[in-house]
Amino acid sequence: QSALTQPASVSGSPGQSITISCTGTSSDIGNYNFVSWYQQHPGKAPKLMIYDVTKRPSGVSNRFSGSKSGNTASLTISGLQTEDEADYYCNSYTSDSTWVFGGGTKLTVL
Amino acid sequence: QVQLRESGPGLVKPSETLSLTCSVAGASISSSDNRWVWIRQPPGKGLEWVGNIYYSGNTFSNPSLKSRVAISVDTSQNYFSLNLNSVTAADTAVYYCARRRAGSALIDSWGQGTLVTVSS
Repeated sequence: QSALTQPASVSGSPGQSITISCTGTSSDIGNYNFVSWYQQHPGKAPKLMIYDVTKRPSGVSNRFSGSKSGNTASLTISGLQTEDEADYYCNSYTSDSTWVFGGGTKLTVL
Repeated sequence: QVQLRESGPGLVKPSETLSLTCSVAGASISSSDNRWVWIRQPPGKGLEWVGNIYYSGNTFSNPSLKSRVAISVDTSQNYFSLNLNSVTAADTAVYYCARRRAGSALIDSWGQGTLVTVSS
């Protein structure tokens, strides 16, 4: 089971939009719509931002959106705010009934 | 409001067994709507899916840990447990328990996490 591939870091200025990619294979992202995204601030538990590729839990800002194309899922944050600075992780179901995380992406808001 | 709480030793010796319990309040461990999950995070590193258990007792574990992991449920006490044997320093991590909704990637409830250090 290999971790999903995410960029180590991305950055953006307040008000801009950024996209974080998460690349897997046809055994995970490519074959299932069970992809989620988590935000984690230092010392805190992960917070679910997107699940089932595009769904937003209650209380999560509509500035966060998810999508998928082929074996790659993406998280887009629009109208970047300073409080969005955090680590972001993707997670996907796999063909052997397990789940796998991405390595994580550090978002810096300049 | 579902609440989960991890409990167990914060320090485990190398080669011994790490044992954690996750107490669940506000939801039935026996419900077919729920899947019970363990996730861990080594200090300064990313999240790692450890495994999960269905209400039926079926378990699925990270292949990299599979031979060392055992996850179980106690329906009478409404909790689930993680045992990880033959631990090494690489198993030092914050361990989270969580609830995932069946048929979805939605993990809507998390424990606060507990740090387990493997050291002699």
